[in-house]
Amino acid sequence: DTGVSQDPRHKITKRGQNVTFRCDPISEHNRLYWYRQTLGQGPEFLTYFQNEAQLEKSRLLSDRFSAERPKGSFSTLEIQRTEQGDSAMYLCASSFQRGEAFFGQGTRLTVV
Amino acid sequence: TQLLEQSPQFLSIQEGENLTVYCNSSSVFSSLQWYRQEPGEGPVLLVTVVTGGEVKKLKRLTFQFGDARKDSSLHITAAQPGDTGLYLCGGATNKLIFGTGTLLAVQP
Repeated sequence: DTGVSQDPRHKITKRGQNVTFRCDPISEHNRLYWYRQTLGQGPEFLTYFQNEAQLEKSRLLSDRFSAERPKGSFSTLEIQRTEQGDSAMYLCASSFQRGEAFFGQGTRLTVV
Repeated sequence: TQLLEQSPQFLSIQEGENLTVYCNSSSVFSSLQWYRQEPGEGPVLLVTVVTGGEVKKLKRLTFQFGDARKDSSLHITAAQPGDTGLYLCGGATNKLIFGTGTLLAVQP
C-alpha cells in the first residue's frame, strides 16, 4: 500500500464553479478525515467518516460543502459555487479507529 | 469545544540551538500525535504518545505527554536546518483535531 492519496494535487477554478476532490485512504483504515488548511495554520477539521457513515461535520462548514464515502473506501469532497475564501489546502487523513492518522499530500485549491 | 493551543507560533533559531514547543488543552485526550509539515505537502507523523507521563525519543527529538494527558511538549536538541517546518500536535478523542501549529525556521 502506498499510503493516502489525493487527487488532484492542484486545482484552479473560477468563482462560482463546483469542484470535487478525491481521497483514497490506506486500505485497512476504517476512519477517514477531511481538513482545510490555510498558510501557516494548523488543519481545521471539516468532517470524518467511520466506514461509510459520516459521524461528524463541522458547524463551520457551509451547506456548499458535502462529503461522501459511499462504500467505506475512497471519499469525495465537493464544494459547490466556490468562493475566493474557499482557497486553501484540503487534506485527507485516514486511521484505524482512533489510532495513528496518516495524511495525503493534499489538494491545493485556488479560486480566481 | 475541544481546543489545542500550541506555543510559540513562530520560532527562528540558529543551527545548534535547542528549542521546546508546547501543546496544551483543557481536554483529556486518549493520545496525542506530533507531525511535521513542509510547504505544499501533507503532515508527516513523527510520534504518538498514549500514556500519561510518557517520554519518547526520536534521534534529537524528545516528546513528552503530560501526566493528565492534556498537554505535550516537543524538545529538539541541536537543531539543524533540516528541522525547519510546521510542527503540529493532534489530539484524538472521538475525532482528531489539531493545534494552531508552530512554524520553526532553523538558520544555518
